[in-house]
Order: sequence, then structure tokens, then C-alpha cells
Amino acid sequence: DAKTTQPPSMDCAEGRAANLPCNHSTISGNEYVYWYRQIHSQGPQYIIHGLKNNETNEMASLIITEDRKSSTLILPHATLRDTAVYYCIVRATSGTYKYIFGTGTRLKVLA
Amino acid sequence: NAGVTQTPKFQVLKTGQSMTLQCAQDMNHEYMSWYRQDPGMGLRLIHYSVGAGITDQGEVPNGYNVSRSTTEDFPLRLLSAAPSQTSVYFCASIKTGGGSYEQYFGPGTRLTVT
Repeated sequence: DAKTTQPPSMDCAEGRAANLPCNHSTISGNEYVYWYRQIHSQGPQYIIHGLKNNETNEMASLIITEDRKSSTLILPHATLRDTAVYYCIVRATSGTYKYIFGTGTRLKVLA
Repeated sequence: NAGVTQTPKFQVLKTGQSMTLQCAQDMNHEYMSWYRQDPGMGLRLIHYSVGAGITDQGEVPNGYNVSRSTTEDFPLRLLSAAPSQTSVYFCASIKTGGGSYEQYFGPGTRLTVT
């Protein structure tokens, strides 16, 4: 599975868009990009995933560059409840089942 | 629909004791997994299962056993607890389809080994 690189921390003003970057320059053609978040010490929560195209759901948008070497998770209107650690993970669509969680980005939404 | 449930929420063990962490899901997912999370770290995969009767090792399997007799339950057994196993343990149930795997995590069990 490809490795990912994320900034260790970010701040965002409440009500503004939070843009969380992830670098996955060694990603293979059959690897999805997944995003999870962990609020305080709760279990991680699935947010969104994508392969090539940009994706949007009720929680967030995922923008994947054309060469797929990086992606950005966008929380369109961040609230205080979005303060969490955000994990970007890539894994293959088939073969061995393994997720590699890194240390993620600690997002702090400021009032 | 309760999702993924874990018991107990908290546990303190003495070195050498054994215990079983319980995990259950009601989403009829075939895949389930166990992770541990040490302070300030990401999650590390201990064991996983791709269906009843089928389990395999993850990154850090030593000191842990698993079994999967039903689709719903995936217990994790600590054979002889050690202080290095002090951690938060998360169980996950995995929704698969079209090549993707979405994990749904339980609330965790906080284990302290003294």
C-alpha cells in the first residue's frame, strides 16, 4: 500500500472551508484514497473515499489530482464539532486486506 | 441498528492475566478487524477476519488470539497481559463492494495493564 504524508496540524475558522491536503505520490492505479476522522478518543469515523474522480457526500468533498499523487479533503463550512484528527489512507482494491493509519492531521476549528 | 458494539468500555488487568474483549456488529458485514491505538499514535491492525471461520494476522498480532464463529461476533483474547498491551482497542466492521472497503468502528475498550 502507498504511503501518505499529511501536515501534523491545521487551524480553520468556524464557518470557513477546511482544506486538508494529503500527498500519496507512490499511489498505484488500483488504490483508493480513503479519509477518516477521529474526534477526541472515539472510534474513527469514515468520511469519504475515491479512486480517480472527485467525490462529494453529505459530510465532505474529495478532490483528487489528475495524476492521483495528491488529494484534498474539503469540509465546506467547518464547525467546532469538526475538530478532530483526520486520516488519509490509500489501499488496493483487491489483494491483501490492510489499512495503514498514519498519524493524520489534527484539525482545530476556531470560534 | 446498533452498529458496532464493544465491551467492556474500560478494563484494568494485572500482568499475566487473560481476558477477552468483545465485539459485535449487526450490519451483516463479512469483514471485521481489531486495532490498537497507543497514545499519540495512529491505529495498528492486530487481526482481521474475512468471514466466519476465517481469520488472519495484521501488523501486531503477537500476544493476541481471535476467533470468528459467527458473522456478528469477533472477540479478541489477550493470552497473558503485559504492560506493553496498555492501549485503546478498536473493533471495526467493514462494508465491502465494488473494490472499496469502508470501516465502521466501535467506541473502543480502554485497557490498562499494571
